[in-house]
Amino acid sequence: NAGVTQTPKFQVLKTGQSMTLQCAQDMNHNSMYWYRQDPGMGLRLIYYSASEGTTDKGEVPNGYNVSRLNKREFSLRLESAAPSQTSVYFCASSAADTQYFGPGTRLTVL
Amino acid sequence: AQSVTQLDSQVPVFEEAPVELRCNYSSSVSVYLFWYVQYPNQGLQLLLKYLSGSTLVKGINGFEAEFNKSQTSFHLRKPSVHISDTAEYFCAVYNNDYKLSFGAGTTVTVRA
Repeated sequence: NAGVTQTPKFQVLKTGQSMTLQCAQDMNHNSMYWYRQDPGMGLRLIYYSASEGTTDKGEVPNGYNVSRLNKREFSLRLESAAPSQTSVYFCASSAADTQYFGPGTRLTVL
Repeated sequence: AQSVTQLDSQVPVFEEAPVELRCNYSSSVSVYLFWYVQYPNQGLQLLLKYLSGSTLVKGINGFEAEFNKSQTSFHLRKPSVHISDTAEYFCAVYNNDYKLSFGAGTTVTVRA
């Protein structure tokens, strides 16, 4: 079992470029989440998906879109990257109360 | 929505000394509380959780936490730390819609 995997691990973008962060889980979990982590702010929820076919906004959704492609995969898209989106992005999944996290994607927007 | 406050942003501690990380949560009828650990350049992993029952919760790597409803606290403790405990620790609470709210984190640095 790989658990939760994320690609890429690192990415540098220029302002205005677009990209998609990929996340996949092999634990057959219904719920999946995208967070961003910034120093001194903990993790903040961007979007989540309670089950295949549904997505909902979290605390900081502006500038992002998501797709729950199937039960395994949940992608995060930045349509026009901004320097304020420089952060570490974590994907997580859960079946009940415990969330399992991926290793993260470190994104820098210049 | 419920929230948590971690009272210490940095905790330096010597190897083999005890450590306590403080977490307070906003009150609610029922509450699920968690402590996660993030080692350098890694994702988060669950240390322990309180859902119901005994207020003293034991987790991995010798950590434990005590749920105190009257003080709305969920402090994390370890009686003797190792260098390998150097990490960032996050307290979190489940909201009624099963989304986690995280505290700002406490960085523990263990020195020899």
